[in-house]
Order: sequence, then structure tokens, then C-alpha cells
Amino acid sequence: AQSVTQLDSQVPVFEEAPVELRCNYSSSVSVYLFWYVQYPNQGLQLLLKYLSGSTLVKGINGFEAEFNKSQTSFHLRKPSVHISDTAEYFCAVNGGFKTIFGAGTRLFVKA
Amino acid sequence: DGGITQSPKYLFRKEGQNVTLSCEQNLNHDAMYWYRQDPGQGLRLIYYSQIVNDFQKGDIAEGYSVSREKKESFPLTVTSAQKNPTAFYLCASSTQANTEAFFGQGTRLTVV
Repeated sequence: AQSVTQLDSQVPVFEEAPVELRCNYSSSVSVYLFWYVQYPNQGLQLLLKYLSGSTLVKGINGFEAEFNKSQTSFHLRKPSVHISDTAEYFCAVNGGFKTIFGAGTRLFVKA
Repeated sequence: DGGITQSPKYLFRKEGQNVTLSCEQNLNHDAMYWYRQDPGQGLRLIYYSQIVNDFQKGDIAEGYSVSREKKESFPLTVTSAQKNPTAFYLCASSTQANTEAFFGQGTRLTVV
């Protein structure tokens, strides 16, 4: 069985500050890992994905994530956030036919 | 443009009525999914389909039904047996079962 834990339900941060959204997963098989972003009343949009290869993955909008197999983590980072990054972010894991999502982290960027 | 279309965006129904949510994709994807989203709970899988005329229950299938008669379409029926149907419903599709999912814009169902 697989599971995903997003360690922070809300993350407030000032504009132009760095941010890290934390994600831990558990799985008995090799997995694919994803981060999605959701703006209010919309569907989810893929930010980035880890399938194999380099453990540092770069995505859209300046976000990146690092896969750490020993710590079973896949934390999302951005060196300088903008007001427009205010949204909910979901970490997800897929090791078969189902994608399991975390509960989400609401990022709130303040001016 | 290719994508996934969910309709309607907002839906109101009286308690005890069945309601069907539409999901259509023109991405030529084999796999399609329905998720339910409630505040603070992330996305929970209701049903998924890997191929036409075949579908499997997800984690919270009780009170829901689906069909997959065409590759492009995967409608979800919320039946009167679903005890708490008010939620945001998201449809998604993917090329294979373990690749990234493409999502529709969602349907917000309110049962009064």
C-alpha cells in the first residue's frame, strides 16, 4: 500500500522569500512522484514529476523538488515566491494503477 | 485544443435525487478517473477505468456508479445512496495508469 503525508496544512510566507513544502511517502514498490497545483475552484495542474534519473526535478513556474529515497521524501521548493503562487499544492504518488494524493498544503503569499 | 471537459461547473440537487456528472476528453487517453475533494482531505478516488467497457472501484465507491461505453466519456452518477454527496468532483485522464494525470475544471455539487 502507498500513502502520502504532507507535513504542513498551511504555509504563510512573504513575497520574494523562499519556501519549502514538505512531502513524505511510503510504498513497498518503486513509485512515481508528482506535485500538482490547484487554484481556487479549478482542477489540478502538474508542476513537476519524478519518474527516474536525476533526483532534482525542475518544474514550471520556478519550482523544483528533490527525491530522497532514504528519507522517502519529495519536498517542493521555490527560491523566491510571488503573490501569484498563492494556491493549494498536492503531492502524489503512483506505484501502479492508482494515484494517491496528500491532503494538500495551502501556500499563502503575503505582500 | 485538447483537454478534459467537465459539465456543469455548478450543480444543485435535492436530497434523494440521482445526478450525473459529465466528463469528456479528447486527449485519446486510455485511463480515466473520478476523484472527490473535500476541504482538508485531499483527493479521494471514487472509480477508475483503464479501458473502454471496464472500470474498477476506488477507495470511496459506495453511492456512486460509472460507465465507460466510449473512450472519450466517463460519466459519474451520484445516487441517493451516497450519504454526503455535497463536494467538489474532479475527473482526470492519463495515457497509462502510472503517468501524470490531466484534470478537468471540476464540478461543484451541492445537495440541499
